[in-house]
Amino acid sequence: AIQLTQSPSSLSASVGDRVTITCRASQGISTALAWYQQKPGKAPNLLIYDASTLESGVPSRFSGSGSGTDFTLTISSLQPEDFATYYCQQFNYYPLTFGGGTKVEIK
Amino acid sequence: QVQLVQSGAEVKKPGASVKVSCKASGYTFTTYAISWVRQAPGQGLEWMGWISTYHGDTNYAQKLQGRITLTTDTSASTAYMELRSLRSDDTAVYYCAKVVSGSYEFFDYWGQGTLVTVSS
Repeated sequence: AIQLTQSPSSLSASVGDRVTITCRASQGISTALAWYQQKPGKAPNLLIYDASTLESGVPSRFSGSGSGTDFTLTISSLQPEDFATYYCQQFNYYPLTFGGGTKVEIK
Repeated sequence: QVQLVQSGAEVKKPGASVKVSCKASGYTFTTYAISWVRQAPGQGLEWMGWISTYHGDTNYAQKLQGRITLTTDTSASTAYMELRSLRSDDTAVYYCAKVVSGSYEFFDYWGQGTLVTVSS
C-alpha cells in the first residue's frame, strides 16, 4: 500500500501566518492527491484535488502543489477558522490511503 | 443539496456485528460510488472499502476482508456497511463518503459519522 507521510504532525501558528504542510508518498502517484480539513467532531471537508485544483467554495488562501511523490498544502494567510487538522489522501492506487494528519493550532 | 445521513451510534460487544446505514439525497444515487472511512478515537482516517452504487461491485481494504460487507438499496438511495466479529480496536467513528467519479476516488460529500463502540 502507498504510505503517505505528512509533516509536521502538528504546528503552532498565528493568524495571518503563511503555513505549509507537506505530504510525501512512498511511490509516485502522479497528481492523484486530495487534501481535507477536519474540525473536531466533524467530518472531513474537501479542500483540494488533483494536487492543485481548488474545490468549489474553498477560499483562495488555500493552494496545493506537487506531483509524483512530494506535495504541499499552503495557507497563505491563516484565519481563525483554519485551525483544524489537515489530511492528504492518494487515489492513484488501491487501497486508498490517507496521511497521518497535521494539526494546526493557535500560537 | 447533496446530503448523506447516517444511522445513530451503536454499542456492541466483542464478537458481535454492526450495520450502519447511509441515506443519500440531492443527487442520483446510482451515479456515484460510495466509500466508507473510519476514524478511531484521536487517530487518523482509514479507508475501509468502496461500492459501486450502479453495479454493486465492491473493493475492500485487505485488513478487513472477510469481516466487511458493503451493500446498497437503490430504491431507498441507501448504502450499508456491515462489520462482523467486532473487536475493541474497531471502536471508531464510521463515515460514508460520496466518490467524485469513477477515476477520481476522492470524496466531495461525507456523512455526519456514526460512532461504533465495542466494549464488553
